[in-house]
Amino acid sequence: DAGVTQSPTHLIKTRGQQVTLRCSPKSGHDTVSWYQQALGQGPQFIFQYYEEEERQRGNFPDRFSGHQFPNYSSELNVNALLLGDSALYLCASSWLAGGNEQFFGPGTRLTVL
Amino acid sequence: GNSVTQMEGPVTLSEEAFLTINCTYTATGYPSLFWYVQYPGEGLQLLLKATKADDKGSNKGFEATYRKETTSFHLEKGSVQVSDSAVYFCALSTATGNQFYFGTGTSLTVIP
Repeated sequence: DAGVTQSPTHLIKTRGQQVTLRCSPKSGHDTVSWYQQALGQGPQFIFQYYEEEERQRGNFPDRFSGHQFPNYSSELNVNALLLGDSALYLCASSWLAGGNEQFFGPGTRLTVL
Repeated sequence: GNSVTQMEGPVTLSEEAFLTINCTYTATGYPSLFWYVQYPGEGLQLLLKATKADDKGSNKGFEATYRKETTSFHLEKGSVQVSDSAVYFCALSTATGNQFYFGTGTSLTVIP
C-alpha cells in the first residue's frame, strides 16, 4: 500500500500564475481533503471532495478550486497566485463510511515569488 | 464554532524526561480528538485518537485522555527519546468527519 501520494514535491511560481497540485488517496479511500499549512502554523482546511463533488469548504477564496476524478484522485488548483499562497499543501484521504480518521500525504511545498 | 488551542513551544527536554503538551478545544456537538506528529520535511502522521468522552488513546508510549468536562486532550509520555523530536499537532474532527481543525503545533526537541 503506497499510502497517500502527492506531486510535485516542490514547486516555484511567480505572482499571478496558476498552479495545479495532485493527490492520489490511500487504497480503499474515497474521500480527499486539502489543507494549507503556512510556515510555523497548523494546517488550515481548504475543502473536501467525495463522489467527485465538493462536500465542504473552508474559509478560502474562489481562487482555490478542486476536482476529484472517478478513481478518487484529486487536484487542487490555485489561480492568480499571491505571495501569501506560499505554503505546504497537504492532501488527506479517508473512507467516508469508515469514520473520520484521515491519512496525510507528504505535501507539496509551493513557493510564490 | 470549532477550534483547538495548544500550548506554545518550543519545548526542550532531556532524554527520559516526562512530557506534557496541553490541548484544549471548543466544539459544537461531539467531536473526535487526535494527536498528529510531523517530522521535518514530512507530512502529518496520526499518533493517537479518541472518539468519545473518557476514551484514552495510546501509541508508542504516548497517551491522551478525552476529557469532556475540561474540554481537554493533553498529550503525555513518561520517558521521551531523542527520536521523539518533532512538531505535535492537536486536532478535532467534527461528528460528520467533514473537517479537521488543528492547533498551531508544539515543537519538541529532546536532547541526549
